[in-house]
Amino acid sequence: DIVMTQSPDSLAVSLGERATINCKSSQSVLYSSNNKNYLAWYQQKPGQPPKLLIYWASTRESGVPDRFSGSGSGTDFTLTISSLQAEDVALYYCQQYFNTPHTFGQGTKLEIK
Amino acid sequence: EVQLVESGGGLVQPGRSLRLSCTASGFAFGDFAMSWARQAPGKGLEWVGFIRSKAYGGTIEYAASVKGRFTISRDDSKSIAYLEMSSLKTEDTAVYYCTRAHGDYLYYFDYWGQGTLVTVSS
Repeated sequence: DIVMTQSPDSLAVSLGERATINCKSSQSVLYSSNNKNYLAWYQQKPGQPPKLLIYWASTRESGVPDRFSGSGSGTDFTLTISSLQAEDVALYYCQQYFNTPHTFGQGTKLEIK
Repeated sequence: EVQLVESGGGLVQPGRSLRLSCTASGFAFGDFAMSWARQAPGKGLEWVGFIRSKAYGGTIEYAASVKGRFTISRDDSKSIAYLEMSSLKTEDTAVYYCTRAHGDYLYYFDYWGQGTLVTVSS
């Protein structure tokens, strides 16, 4: 199974500042045949289901604010929030869909400093 | 508008069975794979399994933790996906989410239901 490890486990950032969450996979999730990274990011607010933010490592889902961006390739990925807003307080998860079982990172809790 | 509504959760004794349903609307249900994920209280997300669309063979895959105990099925005529859970264990206690799975044979999850709580306890 591919193990997804996020860092840090929790993060406190001031409003308007940049927030960066990292995700590392135990093996590459890049398919050489189509040059796509099978990596997604989700946001989960308290009492709500997860919401898809990013897929193919860097493609923003429709309706997601452009302050959210994804980057990386192979085994190392980053979710960046360019200017933190109060409504971004949430848990964030990465997920690989390179193979089964599809696995999630342990989550990163993002708070306001 | 895509909607996924889970039902069937509740309190069940260890060793017993329970069936969850996921009623979908707002999209061509038969064209998509459907997946289940779960989240134990205060814990992270765990993929449970998915069922592919008929166009991709309707095949099913499961997490090792549930394989042989859980069964995923679908009724395209009713736009419903099911999760049949048997031989339930206390560690199966979780909120179970139905998700629409986007992709060909491997999936990210673009829509999630609100979830239904399953509590396994004597």
